[in-house]
Amino acid sequence: GQNIDQPTEMTATEGAIVQINCTYQTSGFNGLFWYQQHAGEAPTFLSYNVLDGLEEKGRFSSFLSRSKGYSYLLLKELQMKDSASYLCAVPDSNYQLIWGAGTKLIIKP
Amino acid sequence: ETGVTQTPRHLVMGMTNKKSLKCEQHLGHNAMYWYKQSAKKPLELMFVYSLEERVENNSVPSRFSPECPNSSHLFLHLHTLQPEDSALYLCASSQDWEVSYGYTFGSGTRLTVV
Repeated sequence: GQNIDQPTEMTATEGAIVQINCTYQTSGFNGLFWYQQHAGEAPTFLSYNVLDGLEEKGRFSSFLSRSKGYSYLLLKELQMKDSASYLCAVPDSNYQLIWGAGTKLIIKP
Repeated sequence: ETGVTQTPRHLVMGMTNKKSLKCEQHLGHNAMYWYKQSAKKPLELMFVYSLEERVENNSVPSRFSPECPNSSHLFLHLHTLQPEDSALYLCASSQDWEVSYGYTFGSGTRLTVV
């Protein structure tokens, strides 16, 4: 079957760095997505990884290891506005996204 | 207005009521989706439409009835719902239903069934 696991909740301090992990099991592989969702708002696209390695976009970076079925989202120089849920998703064999339950990130001053 | 717009933002309905959720996108996308989001659970795909034709229906109860009159509009008609149907209902669109293009989501309708 297909499955995605990510931690339920994480807490970090403003200005620090946090790494949010995601492990997945799929029958094939068509890339991995990260989305950010603030409470009561729409999920918004952060990154899409299809090849192994680290992709950097400003304060946010996403890493993928296809052989390990593993990805992480790295957030640097944390700001209070980064408090949100972070959703990991991979397409299934019909190209429809399978979602993790999300990681709620709490930023403390 | 750009992006994906959902109305209403909040809805409270009784179990015998009939209501409809509306979604509109002005991105020129060909695919539209309904998702259910419950607390601490993964997003659940309900329906997928591509060019106004339903391409996926993930065993959703018949009390949820989708309608896609054109590629810019998507409705979810609700009737005789149960309290466990209370959730955030998200609409999304993508360029094509092959998902590697990524989704644009609406802000959702927070539904409470009493």
